[in-house]
Amino acid sequence: EAQVTQNPRYLITVTGKKLTVTCSQNMNHEYMSWYRQDPGLGLRQIYYSMNVEVTDKGDVPEGYKVSRKEKRNFPLILESPSPNQTSLYFCASSFRRTDSEAFFGQGTRLTVV
Amino acid sequence: EDKVVQSPLSLVVHEGDTVTLNCSYEVTNFRSLLWYKQEKKAPTFLFMLTSSGIEKKSGRLSSILDKKELFSILNITATQTGDSAIYLCAVEEGKTSYDKVIFGPGTSLSVIP
Repeated sequence: EAQVTQNPRYLITVTGKKLTVTCSQNMNHEYMSWYRQDPGLGLRQIYYSMNVEVTDKGDVPEGYKVSRKEKRNFPLILESPSPNQTSLYFCASSFRRTDSEAFFGQGTRLTVV
Repeated sequence: EDKVVQSPLSLVVHEGDTVTLNCSYEVTNFRSLLWYKQEKKAPTFLFMLTSSGIEKKSGRLSSILDKKELFSILNITATQTGDSAIYLCAVEEGKTSYDKVIFGPGTSLSVIP
């Protein structure tokens, strides 16, 4: 089954404790991206990747890192999480950057206390 | 500043009603406009629009783009309770393949029996 898998689905952590949210897709998609969703603000792009070893900042990259060492995986790293990073995070992938729909993971609800 | 605006932000209708959701945008280099439906968690793809005046249809849903006036509408006819969701509008923009996706805040639709 074609899917984008995020882990964990829910996470509560403390300020400053490094964490990684994993994202994996099984569709051989080139393009992957991370979003955060906050009430009243919609989905905002954090980082995206055009292909292996090619990443770029989205609209809200501060406080986040990503890597794309393999085509299928695109982890999101929070080196020192802060409470303002409490949010719902989505990973998405698509075959090409344009003219193709994005498939979203099920989301990761992160709470930083 | 690039932005995507949706209206209304929230809507409550009765089953059988027809609804029109609006999306307007201001971006520097428009590439395409996408509609997604978000139930519970992950957004799912509805339509991608790149050309003005060409209606896309899928069952009771249809959408059209006006690139001159910079807006799109999503119509849902004969609404059902299963149409209750957040409807997200997103615009892909960029000159090169390294373009970005900007989401609107979403329209929350509630269909009551």
